Amino acid sequence: EVQLVESGGGLVQPGGSLRLSCAASGFTFASYVMNWVRQAPGKGLYWVSAITERGTTYYADSVKGRFTVSRDNSRNTLYLQMNSLSAEDTAAYYCAKGRWTDNAVDIWGQGTMVTVSS
Amino acid sequence: EIVLTQSPGTLSLSPGERATLSCKASQSFSSNYLAWYQQKPGQAPRLLIYGASSRATGIPDRFSGSGSGTDFTLTISRLEPEDFAVYYCQQYGSSPYTFGQGTNLEIK
Repeated sequence: EVQLVESGGGLVQPGGSLRLSCAASGFTFASYVMNWVRQAPGKGLYWVSAITERGTTYYADSVKGRFTVSRDNSRNTLYLQMNSLSAEDTAAYYCAKGRWTDNAVDIWGQGTMVTVSS
Repeated sequence: EIVLTQSPGTLSLSPGERATLSCKASQSFSSNYLAWYQQKPGQAPRLLIYGASSRATGIPDRFSGSGSGTDFTLTISRLEPEDFAVYYCQQYGSSPYTFGQGTNLEIK
């Protein structure tokens, strides 16, 4: 079964840092583009970042310079390092797998909640 | 950044009716890389359509996507009770890979 399981969310103070992880199973992780998508409470979807099979990275303007996406293909794990967090970053963060031939997201994790508050 | 504008914001219809959802982009992007997702409360989104018009695996044929350039449409031919949800479009042809703000399809 193809599965993505996020972890690492929680409560963090403004200006703080957090690292999210996403454990992948059931597919050849190294062969796919992976994404992070977030959703603030009661709001819509917001694409955050992507990393290609070869490690090329892409970011939304609002997180560029603060967030870093990375992957460890030997551990089948995707990461999101988040620094300088603010209340606007409060959201459920989804790990999301792109399709084989394009980056439409065909598999989503269950999400991990990040709350930025003092 | 490509801005996607979905309309209407809320669509109230009855089961059996036809639903037409619009997604307009602020500029064109490569290869019609436009996807549609369905999201129900408390659940992760589900991919319905990719490449503007190709149905994802397991998606019923009452769902269809069309359009090109900057204008895209998701059509649900005959609404089933389980189709009432929020629908999002996303372009993944030009980074940042933006989403529309969503259309809430509700039961009339």
